[in-house]
Parts: sequence; structure tokens; C-alpha cells
Amino acid sequence: QVRLQESGPGLVQPSDTLSLTCSVSGSSINKVEYYWGWLRQPPGQRLEYIGSIYYTGTTYYNPSLKSRVTISVDPSTFRYSLHLSAVTAADTAVYYCARRSTGWFYFDIWGPGALVTVSS
Amino acid sequence: DIQLTQSPSFLSASVGDRITITCRASQGIGSYLGWYQQKPGKAPKILIYAASTLYSGVPSRFSGSGFGTEFTLTISSLQPEDFASYYCQHLNNYSTFGGGTKVEIK
Repeated sequence: QVRLQESGPGLVQPSDTLSLTCSVSGSSINKVEYYWGWLRQPPGQRLEYIGSIYYTGTTYYNPSLKSRVTISVDPSTFRYSLHLSAVTAADTAVYYCARRSTGWFYFDIWGPGALVTVSS
Repeated sequence: DIQLTQSPSFLSASVGDRITITCRASQGIGSYLGWYQQKPGKAPKILIYAASTLYSGVPSRFSGSGFGTEFTLTISSLQPEDFASYYCQHLNNYSTFGGGTKVEIK
């Protein structure tokens, strides 16, 4: 059974970089059928796509966040990471990692989510 | 950018009711539309992809239809576990989501 789990600091200072890691169990990241993605959901708001990465390192980023986002992958450790720079209070959200189908682009397996608060 | 607009934002219904949620795209997206269910404090779950294909394990009371700019999610007979929020997603490399529909018990 494939499982994803987010980990990282729950509190980040304004202007700092938010860093989260997604640990994948039950599957290799080197699967041609999947991308590995990050999404977020501010309190009471809609889901927002952040970006996705293929095991080869190919990435797709949300254009509105692209200048501040880096997603990296290390298949050997079954992990991939999110770095979001220059954060503000508007980046406070529950952050999810999720597996994305390469065929129809849907997210079929999600981590439980990690609340990250941006505050001094 | 393609925008997705869901309606209604809130829906009150009773167990056994048939309900329909609409998602409208600002431009044609073919069949590249998915639907998710989300319960409070939980991650979303995929229900439907390709506008009308039921994801494995999802009950058959859920169905989707549509093409181009207008799509619908229908629950044929609402069950207690179906009271949740529902989101549509444009299925592409730069996924956008609709604003959500919260289904509440009447």
C-alpha cells in the first residue's frame, strides 16, 4: 500500500524559506506512470496546486508561485522536497504531498497534510 | 489562465436525496476534469477523472458528466458519509481547482 507523509517545521518566520519533505513508502518514486506533487489549502479556502516533479527531475510549477518554488527529488531515499522562499502570512496553509497520474493528471494518493503557519 | 467556477457553494440536503454540483470552465478543457471529496481535517479523495470515469473503489452512486466548459457531479442517493466538500480540478500540468461545494445535512 502506497503511503505519503509530509514532514517539516510547522512555524516559519516571514521572509524565510518554507521547506517540507514528502516520504514515500510502499512504492518506488521511479515509476513512469506518476509525477509527485505538492498542493496547499489556506484555512477555509480552495486547494492550490504548487508543482510536480518526475523521477527524472522534470518539473511543472504553478506560474503564480514559480519564482519562489523549488521541488527536488531523491529517488534513492524515497523522498521529494518543497522549498518556498520569501514567505508571507498568505503562505499559511495545510500543505499536501500527493501522487499524480501522468495519464490523466489526477492526484490519487495524498499525504495527511501538514499545517505550516507563517508568523513572527 | 483557465478558471473553474463551482455552483452552488453550499447545498443542504437529506439522506436519500439526489444532488448535482456544477463546475464551469472559463475555456474549453475537453474531458480534462476531475472531482474530489474532502472531509474536515482530511486530504481530498479522487472520485472521478476524465469527466465521467469513476475511480477504482468509488461507489456507483457517484457519477460525472460534461465536456468542454460545463461539467456536473451527481450523487444519486445521498448517504451519511457523503456530507463533505467537493472540488473540481482541471486535469493538466498546471492544475486549477474550483472553489468547492459544501454539502450539509438539512
